[in-house]
Amino acid sequence: DTEVTQTPKHLVMGMTNKKSLKCEQHMGHRAMYWYKQKAKKPPELMFVYSYEKLSINESVPSRFSPECPNSSLLNLHLHALQPEDSALYLCASSQRGAGNQPQHFGDGTRLSIL
Amino acid sequence: DAKTTQPPSMDCAEGRAANLPCNHSTISGNEYVYWYRQIHSQGPQYIIHGLKNNETNEMASLIITEDRKSSTLILPHATLRDTAVYYCIVITGGGADGLTFGKGTHLIIQP
Repeated sequence: DTEVTQTPKHLVMGMTNKKSLKCEQHMGHRAMYWYKQKAKKPPELMFVYSYEKLSINESVPSRFSPECPNSSLLNLHLHALQPEDSALYLCASSQRGAGNQPQHFGDGTRLSIL
Repeated sequence: DAKTTQPPSMDCAEGRAANLPCNHSTISGNEYVYWYRQIHSQGPQYIIHGLKNNETNEMASLIITEDRKSSTLILPHATLRDTAVYYCIVITGGGADGLTFGKGTHLIIQP
């Protein structure tokens, strides 16, 4: 069991659909992250939120729209995705501020684009 | 953040110690060495981290050389459940700026 909960675990959508991925943590962490992981590749950073503000966007296409409605929740809104966007989407969180704070990951949402 | 180099794969017998090396020759003084692992179909799991001194927790030990240019993660008594991809990551502070994953080492524990 992980302390970062991601829903849904699996999602299949067409290229014209709009869907959202959800991530929740109740550890009081103030930094939250989205990563994308293609099959047999390492995770790649997409977005970082710090104190509910977007602090890093790794040049992600606008069809991915992150949202942090409060300190416990992180959403990733999806629209007009392409088949190459099929991947495992991982959420993570960490303490913010002092020195060395490890990230805690959820088990991801496996996304398939038809 | 400094780049890391790890062997692509390693085997270890169940019950033996697994020693996973990592080279980070360009590490700077304020950068930490972190280890994560990813078991198939799960998210990455934090294992341990250190700055200069050797560290030990309930999962593993981390040995950092005196010049800090390399480190070794030690799983003292490997089990089949330790089969995973292990990532060595060097980062300033604690990861609030996002992690850059390399290809990692695929550790296979043999029965």
